[in-house]
Amino acid sequence: TQLLEQSPQFLSIQEGENLTVYCNSSSVFSSLQWYRQEPGEGPVLLVTVVTGGEVKKLKRLTFQFGDARKDSSLHITAAQPGDTGLYLCAGAVNTGFQKLVFGTGTRLLVSP
Amino acid sequence: EAQVTQNPRYLITVTGKKLTVTCSQNMNHEYMSWYRQDPGLGLRQIYYSMNVEVTDKGDVPEGYKVSRKEKRNFPLILESPSPNQTSLYFCASSPFWTDFPNTGELFFGEGSRLTVL
Repeated sequence: TQLLEQSPQFLSIQEGENLTVYCNSSSVFSSLQWYRQEPGEGPVLLVTVVTGGEVKKLKRLTFQFGDARKDSSLHITAAQPGDTGLYLCAGAVNTGFQKLVFGTGTRLLVSP
Repeated sequence: EAQVTQNPRYLITVTGKKLTVTCSQNMNHEYMSWYRQDPGLGLRQIYYSMNVEVTDKGDVPEGYKVSRKEKRNFPLILESPSPNQTSLYFCASSPFWTDFPNTGELFFGEGSRLTVL
């Protein structure tokens, strides 16, 4: 079973700070997704990265897929209270069809 | 509005009392899946369905059953719930993933919090 470890597990910061969340595995993934989950709701897709080394930006969020496609990072610049939530990475493995393996999650709290 | 609807949202039950969590999607998606979410473990897949009448086990299928008689519905059945099935459950759907390696997006319901006493 593929494992995706996220770090840190918890992060509490002040508005305006920068932060990076890491998603690591010993397995190679064909693509990697990042989801954000707010309290009382299901996860919502933020981005999909496909190519090793790929960088995608979504406003203040920057996502990078590792060159070897085993890891990914999410960097948030000037965090805002609206960024608060649970961030989940999910790697796609080909088991005859595409299967998503989810990471352990990073809970982010941004205080005003 | 395109959505995945789960019911009930909250349920407290006792050991051994059969229960069903319903899931319905209105996006004509072929793929549907059930996950459970536990602190520090992320989302773990219970069962999935590639299409009507096609289901298969995920990573943690023990104690659960599913059926896919219609494209839009994918109920999760706990025949004899036990306390270790206390968890937050999510149903998700996606268009069939034919665009390898660009994995399709998963659309999640709002979750069903189940407590088994």
